[in-house]
Amino acid sequence: DQQVKQNSPSLSVQEGRISILNCDYTNSMFDYFLWYKKYPAEGPTFLISISSIKDKNEDGRFTVFLNKSAKHLSLHIVPSQPGDSAVYFCAASPYGNKLVFGAGTILRVKS
Amino acid sequence: DAGVIQSPRHEVTEMGQEVTLRCKPISGHNSLFWYRQTMMRGLELLIYFNNNVPIDDSGMPEDRFSAKMPNASFSTLKIQPSEPRDSAVYFCASSLRQGGGNTIYFGEGSWLTVV
Repeated sequence: DQQVKQNSPSLSVQEGRISILNCDYTNSMFDYFLWYKKYPAEGPTFLISISSIKDKNEDGRFTVFLNKSAKHLSLHIVPSQPGDSAVYFCAASPYGNKLVFGAGTILRVKS
Repeated sequence: DAGVIQSPRHEVTEMGQEVTLRCKPISGHNSLFWYRQTMMRGLELLIYFNNNVPIDDSGMPEDRFSAKMPNASFSTLKIQPSEPRDSAVYFCASSLRQGGGNTIYFGEGSWLTVV
């Protein structure tokens, strides 16, 4: 039973356009959410996070939106660049406990 | 500062053999995690330690899997006997404190193939 779901296995976007990656969760105890990026043959690296007291967090080209009532979060990348091509993992945690990851979404940014 | 260090990077072994994966967390981190990545399930948490003590091993698939953390700078994940369905990438990660509200840092992974 996956508590964190990324329903799109892959996404293809043109360079310069917006990439939107989506994530849904089922556990209402989750109060901290993160996005990780993973390149082939490397470990996942932290990208951006948001706590449940916020509905938006921005870091440069990356913005994460949280909709607690819908148990949904999304990652926006604007503008998308070819170097953004990677696997993106959504993760969630109830405070003070372990991170639960989704299955990942492969993003391809075409130049 | 060195990141999380895992060894071996790649391992090919025959079914039935014992496999030992090793991890050195980031110095000063007191939480350590073992994850497994598969195509179907993404990143699954197998077990995590806090201050060298196993806190939650509910993700360990079965008794063939075991993990230890004898000190703050070393952990092992052992599979005995190994089976082809254990083939996956195994990641070790560490953080300054347990779980939520804090970032965990991953190693580069150990690619296991059981034939």
